[in-house]
Amino acid sequence: EVQLVESGGGLAQPGGSLRLSCTASGITFSNYEMNWVRQTPGQGLEWLSNISISGSSTLYADSVKGRFTISRDNAKNSLFLQMNSLRAEDTAVYYCASGAAYFQKWGQGTLVIVSS
Amino acid sequence: DIQMTQSPSTLSASVGDTVSITCRASQSTRNWLAWYHQKVGKAPKLLIYQASNLESGVPSRFSGSGSGTEFTLTISSLQPDDFATYYCQQYNSYPWTFGQGTKVEIK
Repeated sequence: EVQLVESGGGLAQPGGSLRLSCTASGITFSNYEMNWVRQTPGQGLEWLSNISISGSSTLYADSVKGRFTISRDNAKNSLFLQMNSLRAEDTAVYYCASGAAYFQKWGQGTLVIVSS
Repeated sequence: DIQMTQSPSTLSASVGDTVSITCRASQSTRNWLAWYHQKVGKAPKLLIYQASNLESGVPSRFSGSGSGTEFTLTISSLQPDDFATYYCQQYNSYPWTFGQGTKVEIK
């Protein structure tokens, strides 16, 4: 069974940092492009970032470009999202999801709250 | 960015009904469109990709149609498990964008 499990969410102060992780099992992780998608009650679902299979190519939504960095470690079946300069509007549930364009498998999500 | 607009926002229906949800794009997405459903507290789940292709394991009562700027998700013979929120997503151009969601609730 395919499983994607996120971790690393929590409470952060405005301007602070968090690093999210996503660990995959049940799939050959190194065969899949990966993404981060977030969900807020007000803004709905928002795609944030994509990383190529090798990790050499990355894409970002304008809302996080320059603040967030996606990376992966295929040897450890893991995906990461380094989030810096956090803002209140970054408060959301963050999902990792597999797929090159649409999202075939999703993790259960990890909640990030940015508040002082 | 391509804006995706779903209608209706909420849909009330009964088990056994056939329902349709519309997704309109602000510019053509050709047929690069996916549909998901999401239950409360759970992650979205892929139903359809490339406008009309059923994801493996998804019941055949779900179907998708359309191209360009207008797409439809149809659920035939609603089952209790289908009461959820449905989202469309375009992947024709970055940034990939989602519709705001359509909640299918029990009448």
